[in-house]
Amino acid sequence: AQKVTQAQTEISVVEKEDVTLDCVYETRDTTYYLFWYKQPPSGELVFLIRRNSFDEQNEISGRYSWNFQKSTSSFNFTITASQVVDSAVYFCALSEFDNYGQNFVFGPGTRLSVLP
Amino acid sequence: KAGVTQTPRYLIKTRGQQVTLSCSPISGHRSVSWYQQTPGQGLQFLFEYFSETQRNKGNFPGRFSGRQFSNSRSEMNVSTLELGDSALYLCASSLNRGNGDGYTFGSGTRLTVV
Repeated sequence: AQKVTQAQTEISVVEKEDVTLDCVYETRDTTYYLFWYKQPPSGELVFLIRRNSFDEQNEISGRYSWNFQKSTSSFNFTITASQVVDSAVYFCALSEFDNYGQNFVFGPGTRLSVLP
Repeated sequence: KAGVTQTPRYLIKTRGQQVTLSCSPISGHRSVSWYQQTPGQGLQFLFEYFSETQRNKGNFPGRFSGRQFSNSRSEMNVSTLELGDSALYLCASSLNRGNGDGYTFGSGTRLTVV
């Protein structure tokens, strides 16, 4: 069965600090997708990144970067020079496919508080 | 383009009543999924609709049901509400299904059962 673990329930940092959010997943499939979503206080989940299981290249987008390592089944997310606007709950998610189609599983989320 | 629209944003119902929530996906998106989010259980998958047919269902009792219309709009219904149904209900749409598309989420409907 698929599973996503985000061991950090809550993290607090001071503005301009770097912070890494951990994500560990379990799956038996060789083809799957990993996602990160951000949920600000407004409630809407905002898509940040999608990575397929065959692409282990790390990605950088502005202050955000992602490190995908299949050897450790991890897909970690780093925010560089954090800002107060980064305060939100961040979810890692795993998508794989069965006879019914795409099956999405979310991790429990990590609440990030960036203090001024 | 317009995002995923969920109505209403907030709802207060009494135990035993029923409720219907609405979701309009992004234009052209054919797959609609519903999630329940609670502090204790996190984000839990309810069901997925594609081409007016339920394609996948999570582990929820039969009181939770849904449907999808020909224009891809979807509704979910909860009958005989219980206090534990209080949650944020999120709708997500994607272009198709089964090809790794990410979801676009709506802002949710916050249901409070008293």
